[in-house]
Amino acid sequence: NAGVTQTPKFQVLKTGQSMTLQCAQDMNHNSMYWYRQDPGMGLRLIYYSASEGTTDKGEVPNGYNVSRLNKREFSLRLESAAPSQTSVYFCASTIPQGQETQYFGPGTRLLVL
Amino acid sequence: DQQVKQNSPSLSVQEGRISILNCDYTNSMFDYFLWYKKYPAEGPTFLISISSIKDKNEDGRFTVFLNKSAKHLSLHIVPSQPGDSAVYFCAKEGGTSYGKLTFGQGTILTVHP
Repeated sequence: NAGVTQTPKFQVLKTGQSMTLQCAQDMNHNSMYWYRQDPGMGLRLIYYSASEGTTDKGEVPNGYNVSRLNKREFSLRLESAAPSQTSVYFCASTIPQGQETQYFGPGTRLLVL
Repeated sequence: DQQVKQNSPSLSVQEGRISILNCDYTNSMFDYFLWYKKYPAEGPTFLISISSIKDKNEDGRFTVFLNKSAKHLSLHIVPSQPGDSAVYFCAKEGGTSYGKLTFGQGTILTVHP
């Protein structure tokens, strides 16, 4: 099992450009999450998908959209990138039965100039 | 309103000694607490957890203590090893469904040989 995979590993964008971060998991998990990590801020939830076909906003959703393409894949889209979106983005997945752990991907480092 | 706080940005410890990482949280009755460990350029990995109905949980060198009256959580690592050097995040899963986690800011642990 590869676990949770993310592509790309690193990306540089210019302000106003768009891009999609990809995430896939092969653990048959129902729920998937997108976080961003910034220095001194911990990990903050952007969007999550409790199950295939559903998505909901997290703590910091502005400037982002998501798509739960199927049970395996959950993508994060930046329609018009801004320097404030420079961050490390992590995707995670879990089976939401309560008191379970989330499994994280290796992250995508994004720099917006 | 930050629900989970790690007030120490960094901690330096000698190999073989005890490392104590602290976390404070705001009120919620039926929470589940987790510690994640993160190495540079990798995603966070689950370390240990504790249910709010317990006050201690051990797993090898790692012990988590929960003081509900003080709303305080701590992670003890004994003995500390250089390979433990990483960023440690505490997280809270509260009440609601879908396994959403709220993370603290993280503490950088450095264990010196």
